[in-house]
Amino acid sequence: AQSVTQLGSHVSVSEGALVLLRCNYSSSVPPYLFWYVQYPNQGLQLLLKYTTGATLVKGINGFEAEFKKSETSFHLTKPSAHMSDAAEYFCAVRGFQGGSEKLVFGKGMKLTVNP
Amino acid sequence: SQTIHQWPATLVQPVGSPLSLECTVEGTSNPNLYWYRQAAGRGLQLLFYSVGIGQISSEVPQNLSASRPQDRQFILSSKKLLLSDSGFYLCAWSDQWAGANVLTFGAGSRLTVL
Repeated sequence: AQSVTQLGSHVSVSEGALVLLRCNYSSSVPPYLFWYVQYPNQGLQLLLKYTTGATLVKGINGFEAEFKKSETSFHLTKPSAHMSDAAEYFCAVRGFQGGSEKLVFGKGMKLTVNP
Repeated sequence: SQTIHQWPATLVQPVGSPLSLECTVEGTSNPNLYWYRQAAGRGLQLLFYSVGIGQISSEVPQNLSASRPQDRQFILSSKKLLLSDSGFYLCAWSDQWAGANVLTFGAGSRLTVL
């Protein structure tokens, strides 16, 4: 079975500081990994994804993530936080059950950006 | 371009009342459709998914059911709501050939059961 772990539920950074959101995965097959962002009272929006190829993936809004197989990690980073980055972030891994493909999400991480 | 619509956006219902949340997708054919529930502090839980009309798979046994009466319509229902059904319900779709590679989510429906 596939799963992701996002340790902790809240991260607080100052505006202009580095953003680092951690995600570790478990997968019995080569993983497809995703980061989604959710702004208050809205649906989820895809930030970036890793399927195959280059392990450093760049996404929207200046975010990037690096797939590290040896560490089973897919941490999300942004060099300089902006107030508009305040949101909840979800890591997800492709899962399989009964021959069907679906996404398995972590519990999410709420990012607060302080002025 | 493809769009996904969910309604109602917010709903307050008494315990024991029925529920119907609707989701429609435009601009694509035979999409994979999903219902997720987001409860406070519990992340996203996949409730149902469908790969075609009348084909529904349930992930978690519970008080809810789903139906897909048309290719691009996905409905989440309950005959009698429980307090524990409160949450934020998200519909999503993916291209049938892409599988779950890219999920596009609707804006969500917030259900409060009193």
